[in-house]
Amino acid sequence: DSGVTQTPKHLITATGQRVTLRCSPRSGDLSVYWYQQSLDQGLQFLIQYYNGEERAKGNILERFSAQQFPDLHSELNLSSLELGDSALYFCASSPARAGSSSGANVLTFGAGSRLTVL
Amino acid sequence: GESVGLHLPTLSVQEGDNSIINCAYSNSASDYFIWYKQESGKGPQFIIDIRSNMDKRQGQRVTVLLNKTVKHLSLQIAATQPGDSAVYFCAEKSVGSATNKLIFGTGTLLAVQP
Repeated sequence: DSGVTQTPKHLITATGQRVTLRCSPRSGDLSVYWYQQSLDQGLQFLIQYYNGEERAKGNILERFSAQQFPDLHSELNLSSLELGDSALYFCASSPARAGSSSGANVLTFGAGSRLTVL
Repeated sequence: GESVGLHLPTLSVQEGDNSIINCAYSNSASDYFIWYKQESGKGPQFIIDIRSNMDKRQGQRVTVLLNKTVKHLSLQIAATQPGDSAVYFCAEKSVGSATNKLIFGTGTLLAVQP
């Protein structure tokens, strides 16, 4: 158990629908990151939050949004789902927003949420 | 278990042999590199990291080598075991970045034959 908790583990839905994925970071970690892993794209960075504020944005579609709450858990909202959104979505956490020490740089990943869009 | 990708480079080794997994990075401004291991059905797991002011770093049964001249990173696993079978990713982080986001390579599937 990495300490990063993601729910649900599996989700099957239809095109056009909206889903919410949830992540609880490791205790003490202030930063949360979302990554998408599909068969042909590897691990793609979507977005990072630090202590409730957005800190970095990657290739996140406009149909996707995220937020980090005061208790530091985060949610990734995926709307108007398409077949191509089927993927594993990983959440990771780290102690800091950015840092020079090795410990601050390591991201700890959750087990992922597998989304299947039919 | 589920496969991470259908088109990953694959390294097949015999149990007990040494494994070398290679990674090329493109951003010369990257100053920190990490190797992650992803087993089927699980999230990436930290193995070892190295800063750009080092050429080599050793862990338990693993060694990471960094060649900044050719922007190449390698992970050596000694006495490979069946439990080492997984997809291995290298990841990088840029100098002076205001974020700890990591950029991942495409991954290599390590298959250990008993």
